[in-house]
Amino acid sequence: DAGITQSPRHKVTETGTPVTLRCHQTENHRYMYWYRQDPGHGLRLIHYSYGVKDTDKGEVSDGYSVSRSKTEDFLLTLESATSSQTSVYFCAISANSGAGVNEQFFGPGTRLTVL
Amino acid sequence: KNQVEQSPQSLIILEGKNCTLQCNYTVSPFSNLRWYKQDTGRGPVSLTIMTFSENTKSNGRYTATLDADTKQSSLHITASQLSDSASYICVVRGGGGGNKLTFGTGTQLKVEL
Repeated sequence: DAGITQSPRHKVTETGTPVTLRCHQTENHRYMYWYRQDPGHGLRLIHYSYGVKDTDKGEVSDGYSVSRSKTEDFLLTLESATSSQTSVYFCAISANSGAGVNEQFFGPGTRLTVL
Repeated sequence: KNQVEQSPQSLIILEGKNCTLQCNYTVSPFSNLRWYKQDTGRGPVSLTIMTFSENTKSNGRYTATLDADTKQSSLHITASQLSDSASYICVVRGGGGGNKLTFGTGTQLKVEL
């Protein structure tokens, strides 16, 4: 798991409430990513970060915000959760795979249910 | 639009048998292609990464092939084991630079006794 942890691992919340998911890495990687995974879709990029306080949007960023105040932590916030945000959320980091190619390594995931 | 399509969607095979999973992509420009294995309830784990110049790459019982001309890749699993039961995801990097990845929806493989 490349030293990546996610918390919480499971969460059930109600529509309209804010939710924050945390991704923590221990190996000082510069790039971090948040994806969501839904049946019938490939993993889709929500936001990513290329350094402390440096973030950018992915393809499905509406309704989500992120923050990175420390290298090791990348937070994903659902400002007002909706049922369409029920999904499994994966954090990833980018690191050299040892063959000169950057590879993404994924965390264990957070299963979020919005009722 | 950049797309990665995988087939079949799902597959059931008997333990010890071989199988081949397919991946077709339209991502351009192409940088590399990855195969990931995702066990139920876990994050994807990389099996292989192939660049433009590589035609075949093996990782134990897993062998990936790449035809950059036809934009096709395959993942062949030899002598399947129960632990091979998982979703196999094809991912292509390219399409505009940076670390942008386009993910397939995966092939769900089940290996039975």
